[in-house]
Amino acid sequence: AQSVAQPEDQVNVAEGNPLTVKCTYSVSGNPYLFWYVQYPNRGLQFLLKYITGDNLVKGSYGFEAEFNKSQTSFHLKKPSALVSDSALYFCAVSPGTYKYIFGTGTRLKVLA
Amino acid sequence: DTGVSQNPRHKITKRGQNVTFRCDPISEHNRLYWYRQTLGQGPEFLTYFQNEAQLEKSRLLSDRFSAERPKGSFSTLEIQRTEQGDSAMYLCASSSPGSLRFFDEQFFGPGTRLTVL
Repeated sequence: AQSVAQPEDQVNVAEGNPLTVKCTYSVSGNPYLFWYVQYPNRGLQFLLKYITGDNLVKGSYGFEAEFNKSQTSFHLKKPSALVSDSALYFCAVSPGTYKYIFGTGTRLKVLA
Repeated sequence: DTGVSQNPRHKITKRGQNVTFRCDPISEHNRLYWYRQTLGQGPEFLTYFQNEAQLEKSRLLSDRFSAERPKGSFSTLEIQRTEQGDSAMYLCASSSPGSLRFFDEQFFGPGTRLTVL
């Protein structure tokens, strides 16, 4: 079965420190991978995606993600966290069809 | 604001009643998706429209759920004979296809929160 796993329900990081939010997937073929962020009372917002090419993808708000095919992972990273980055982050995968599969989300808390 | 809009934002209903939600996608987007999100979970795919054609409906949906997109613009999601298990956030998203493959980012609306008493 196709799936996306976000193993951490919550990640706490101090402001200014680097952050990583983990995502692994199980999809046949060459998937397309996405990260979305959800702020309270707002819809999900697209951050970045991997289609093909360079394994390091840069996105909005200084976020980047690294695609690792051998480990089937797509971890979200940021070199220096901001308090305003505190939100709910979702990893998603498209196996090339319209049926996008989302992870359960990771709550990021950046402490001042 | 030219983003995806959803109405109503909140709906409280009694078990057994019918409810209808509306989604207005970004005007030039011809792909439209409905998702359901419960607490602690990510969005679960419900159905997909390419223009006015409903191309896929999740097996998660019972026959009580129906969706339409009559003119390829706005869409409605109706739930008949609501049950307490239907309580969730219903999300709509749209996208503009860059190709025949599905790697375009989706633009989400704020959602409609349904509470069934």
